[in-house]
Amino acid sequence: GDSVTQMEGPVTLSEEAFLTINCTYTATGYPSLFWYVQYPGEGLQLLLKATKADDKGSNKGFEATYRKETTSFHLEKGSVQVSDSAVYFCALSEGSARQLTFGSGTQLTVLP
Amino acid sequence: DVKVTQSSRYLVKRTGEKVFLECVQDMDHENMFWYRQDPGLGLRLIYFSYDVKMKEKGDIPEGYSVSREKKERFSLILESASTNQTSMYLCASRSAGGVSNQPQHFGDGTRLSIL
Repeated sequence: GDSVTQMEGPVTLSEEAFLTINCTYTATGYPSLFWYVQYPGEGLQLLLKATKADDKGSNKGFEATYRKETTSFHLEKGSVQVSDSAVYFCALSEGSARQLTFGSGTQLTVLP
Repeated sequence: DVKVTQSSRYLVKRTGEKVFLECVQDMDHENMFWYRQDPGLGLRLIYFSYDVKMKEKGDIPEGYSVSREKKERFSLILESASTNQTSMYLCASRSAGGVSNQPQHFGDGTRLSIL
């Protein structure tokens, strides 16, 4: 079945550091890929998505590129802020499936 | 913007009680979902509904049931609450359209404690 693997957390960075959170997936076809963010005490918010190979999703300075050859969708940001501290989830949805398959989440803490 | 509203942010109930968690969305979405979120386990799908009165089991349906009598409302029911159902519960909705690129939109969650 489909699966998503994220890098283990927690990740702690200083403000203005470069961020990468790795995400790889296993799917039988051509999934759509998503990054969600969960701020403390809140539900999940869609951060960005990509629906086909080589698509780049971007939002709020975050980017991720759909790499079919490496089955990856790594999240990057050039300069993180304290306000980016949250849990980040990678997820996929495939074909006519209505549900998402989530990774386990990566806790990010940004220190001033 | 899509608004998914869960009726309670925090709830405390006792073992053996019947517990209702309510979720309402305002975007006429066909699909609705209930997840639970536990440390180290990520999000796990309990049930989903792809239209009114339609439901399907997710990965962990045991001990739960659901109700979807109206399109905008999806209820999760704990038939007889137990301490291992203490968790954060998240509701989500999604437009159907039959394609996989429609994102899910989440509520703020209900933190349920069973004593």
